[in-house]
Amino acid sequence: EAQVTQNPRYLITVTGKKLTVTCSQNMNHEYMSWYRQDPGLGLRQIYYSMNVEVTDKGDVPEGYKVSRKEKRNFPLILESPSPNQTSLYFCASSLWATGGSYNEQFFGPGTRLTVL
Amino acid sequence: AQKITQTQPGMFVQEKEAVTLDCTYDTSDPSYGLFWYKQPSSGEMIFLIYQGSYDQQNATEGRYSLNFQKARKSANLVISASQLGDSAMYFCAMEGFQKLVFGTGTRLLVSP
Repeated sequence: EAQVTQNPRYLITVTGKKLTVTCSQNMNHEYMSWYRQDPGLGLRQIYYSMNVEVTDKGDVPEGYKVSRKEKRNFPLILESPSPNQTSLYFCASSLWATGGSYNEQFFGPGTRLTVL
Repeated sequence: AQKITQTQPGMFVQEKEAVTLDCTYDTSDPSYGLFWYKQPSSGEMIFLIYQGSYDQQNATEGRYSLNFQKARKSANLVISASQLGDSAMYFCAMEGFQKLVFGTGTRLLVSP
């Protein structure tokens, strides 16, 4: 089954304790992206990757890191989490980067993160 | 830069009735795509429908249709014959540079 998986689905942590949220897709997609969802703000892009070893900042990259060493995986790293990073996080993938042609983004199930 | 505006924070509809969720957009690109996603209380993002800016006809997918008015820059989602399972958050989105640009969402509640 074609899917994007994220782990963990739920995480409660404390300020400053490094964490990684994993994202993996089995559709051989070049493009992957991370979003965060906050009430009243919709989803905002954190980072994206157009292919292996190619990553770039989205709209809200501060406090996050990513890596793309393999095509299927795109982990999100919070080196020193803070309470304002409490949010619902989504990983997404698609065949290629968006831009003028139909290109559905497949979303993972989401990771609900609470930073105390 | 692209922008999506959803002005209805919440909507109520009775089961079996139709409901329209509003979405207006702003872009200077001549070619663009518009999406609607459903987010139930479980949290996942479910793709509903897509409309390309050059599509001649309004998109339809089962009970979902998109009322696309290009001159008004609106892409309203119409759900016909609402069901209790349609209660969810609905997001309008459009293709931006290397990302989807989302609106703030509309929470739909379907009552029996």
